[in-house]
Amino acid sequence: EDQVTQSPEALRLQEGESSSLNCSYTVSGLRGLFWYRQDPGKGPEFLFTLYSAGEEKEKERLKATLTKKESFLHITAPKPEDSATYLCAVQENNNDMRFGAGTRLTVKP
Amino acid sequence: NAGVTQTPKFRILKIGQSMTLQCTQDMNHNYMYWYRQDPGMGLKLIYYSVGAGITDKGEVPNGYNVSRSTTEDFPLRLELAAPSQTSVYFCASSCPLCAGELFFGEGSRLTVL
Repeated sequence: EDQVTQSPEALRLQEGESSSLNCSYTVSGLRGLFWYRQDPGKGPEFLFTLYSAGEEKEKERLKATLTKKESFLHITAPKPEDSATYLCAVQENNNDMRFGAGTRLTVKP
Repeated sequence: NAGVTQTPKFRILKIGQSMTLQCTQDMNHNYMYWYRQDPGMGLKLIYYSVGAGITDKGEVPNGYNVSRSTTEDFPLRLELAAPSQTSVYFCASSCPLCAGELFFGEGSRLTVL
């Protein structure tokens, strides 16, 4: 069955403590993998799209990478304002979009 | 641009009541979507539309209905509300040149008691 799994469910970091979030997927054909940020009480906000294995995208302290089976969202020297839930979504070749359950990141000062 | 606007933000319904969640976008996007988000679960697609007059079922359509009479508006109708419909509902829009990116509203939190 096609699915998208994010790990860990929750992650607590100290300010400045770098880490990575994982999104693993099993779909028949990948059209694109998306990362979104969601703040409490808000809608998801687009961060990155990755299309093929080996691709990388960066934005401030965030870097997203993609392999054939998973994507990582690397957070370098995080700040408290990076606290949010990070969602991964996979778009299949038939345009179906499948979301993971998210990783809730808390960065303590 | 206001983007995607959803109303109401919060609503409490009694079992069996009906209501409509409103969604409007000012980006002239062809595609519009309704998702529900439950704790510990990924966003689930309820209904979507690729243009005015065209709607189609998503993964979890039962108990819901939609219409798309204009490009801007995509209301979601709940008939005979049930506790299982307690959730946070998100409307989103997109376009052919948006490369798959979805633009979300701020959500509507619905509780059915």
